[in-house]
Amino acid sequence: AQSVSQHNHHVILSEAASLELGCNYSYGGTVNLFWYVQYPGQHLQLLLKYFSGDPLVKGIKGFEAEFIKSKFSFNLRKPSVQWSDTAEYFCAVNARTGANNLFFGTGTRLTVIP
Amino acid sequence: DTAVSQTPKYLVTQMGNDKSIKCEQNLGHDTMYWYKQDSKKFLKIMFSYNNKELIINETVPNRFSPKSPDKAHLNLHINSLELGDSAVYFCASSQDGINTEAFFGQGTRLTVV
Repeated sequence: AQSVSQHNHHVILSEAASLELGCNYSYGGTVNLFWYVQYPGQHLQLLLKYFSGDPLVKGIKGFEAEFIKSKFSFNLRKPSVQWSDTAEYFCAVNARTGANNLFFGTGTRLTVIP
Repeated sequence: DTAVSQTPKYLVTQMGNDKSIKCEQNLGHDTMYWYKQDSKKFLKIMFSYNNKELIINETVPNRFSPKSPDKAHLNLHINSLELGDSAVYFCASSQDGINTEAFFGQGTRLTVV
């Protein structure tokens, strides 16, 4: 079965600081990778996704992520965070064969201080 | 024209009661899901329905039962509610295929008192 690890539980940054959130997954087969964001009191929204091709993917709101197959990682980055980026960030994976359900990491809470 | 909609948004009920949460998607997707988010924000899949057939049931107590009257709806019925059922429940849907993403509803915050 797939599993996803997010080692940063709570990250606190000042505005304009750079962000990198770690995500590692465990699965022997080919996977799709996702980052979702959950703003306070809201539902999950897709930030970006990787299916195949260029391992550097760009998402909404200036976020990007890099898939490094050899490290089973899919870290999320943003060069300069804003106060409005304060939210919970979830990495997720699903296998490209079989059932299409997502396995989520435990989430990373990002707090951006103005 | 919300893509995935859930009702109610908030649900407060007493232990032992039976309750249902409704979910509808207008995206024409083939698969719908229920996820549970606990107080620590951990998201865990509960059920997955594809073309009205249950294809995943991840160690969920049988007090929880998904009901799918048609492809666009997946309701969650919970019997004999317990304090530990308090959580946020998210409905989601996705299209079949290997390169698809899930779209989530707004969530239902269930509080059992």
